[in-house]
Amino acid sequence: EAQVTQNPRYLITVTGKKLTVTCSQNMNHEYMSWYRQDPGLGLRQIYYSMNVEATDKGDVPEGYKVSRKEKRNFPLILESPSPNQTSLYFCASSVAGQGYEQYFGPGTRLTVT
Amino acid sequence: DQQVKQNSPSLSVQEGRISILNCDYTNSMFDYFLWYKKYPAEGPTFLISISSIKDKNEDGRFTVFLNKSAKHLSLHIVPSQPGDSAVYFCAASREIIQGAQKLVFGQGTRLTINP
Repeated sequence: EAQVTQNPRYLITVTGKKLTVTCSQNMNHEYMSWYRQDPGLGLRQIYYSMNVEATDKGDVPEGYKVSRKEKRNFPLILESPSPNQTSLYFCASSVAGQGYEQYFGPGTRLTVT
Repeated sequence: DQQVKQNSPSLSVQEGRISILNCDYTNSMFDYFLWYKKYPAEGPTFLISISSIKDKNEDGRFTVFLNKSAKHLSLHIVPSQPGDSAVYFCAASREIIQGAQKLVFGQGTRLTINP
């Protein structure tokens, strides 16, 4: 089954404690992206990756890091989480190119206290 | 600066009637538009899309209309069914470099279909 998986699905942590949210896709997609969803703001792009070792900032990259060492995996790293990073996070993947639909993971709800 | 706006946070429609969800955008560089549907505790799923060279695209009960001069698109669902109750996100896309599209999402509209 074609899918994007994220782990963990739920996470409560404290300010400053480094964490990683994993994302994996089994569709051999070149393009992967991370979004955060906040009330009244929709989904905003954090980082994206066009292929292995090719990543770039989205609209709200501050406080986040990513890496793309393998085509299927695109982890999101919060080196020093803060309460304003409390949000619902989605990973997505697609075929590279204009107009291709993005496939989304189930989401990770993160709470930073 | 919200480049894609869905001005109705919620919409309630009777089962069997037409649901119309609206979306406005400001950037004329967008050349592809998509609608995503989201159920609670799940990720968004693709519903329907339209290229800027068209003004209408239809898929079963779902039709998307694009008015480029007004920078406006709408999603029509006919007839509406209880399973259509979800949050709908409008998204606009432009190519930033070859192979990479940038998707900008609206705030979402929560659609409720009443029996």
